[in-house]
Amino acid sequence: DTEVTQTPKHLVMGMTNKKSLKCEQHMGHRAMYWYKQKAKKPPELMFVYSYEKLSINESVPSRFSPECPNSSLLNLHLHALQPEDSALYLCASSQVTGGLEAFFGQGTRLTVV
Amino acid sequence: GESVGLHLPTLSVQEGDNSIINCAYSNSASDYFIWYKQESGKGPQFIIDIRSNMDKRQGQRVTVLLNKTVKHLSLQIAATQPGDSAVYFCAENKKDSSYKLIFGSGTRLLVRP
Repeated sequence: DTEVTQTPKHLVMGMTNKKSLKCEQHMGHRAMYWYKQKAKKPPELMFVYSYEKLSINESVPSRFSPECPNSSLLNLHLHALQPEDSALYLCASSQVTGGLEAFFGQGTRLTVV
Repeated sequence: GESVGLHLPTLSVQEGDNSIINCAYSNSASDYFIWYKQESGKGPQFIIDIRSNMDKRQGQRVTVLLNKTVKHLSLQIAATQPGDSAVYFCAENKKDSSYKLIFGSGTRLLVRP
């Protein structure tokens, strides 16, 4: 099983809303990632978790709050987002940090109105 | 800053021909590289990876070549099929305070029937 599952697939939220993106993997990977991808651009790294601890925050605004409840789950809590935050949010996991055999989910298409 | 870039933003090939997608990287400390395929509306799909102690690695219809001397990575697709049409990204595990999986700018592959 090389599947990373993300929910929801699509999300529309207002600028005052609070929502969460969820990611799940059962490959036993100990590193999990959040990426943001704008149209026609490569994915940009946001956060890296290693063994359920936040190891990298790429200077992401505090309106994005990651959480790793256990080794299989990764959440991204969203609050007071701006329209420019609209993008495809991708979750990935790998055996260890550094992206070794990193697999991605299908992403959540987020629209902020 | 250091980045992973691509020589050709768009590559158009005839069905059945071989395709070569190139990638240049500038971080000599990177020791692991991955090629991803991304179809419209989907997450990046792992194609093949290579470590820096290798020059070549083959998969099913795909070959990755690594030239560390000139910091160049290429993906060769044999007998290109319409289903190969997608955007292809190379990614490297850039060494900073810790390892990060960083993406290049991408190449769109168009397969003509």
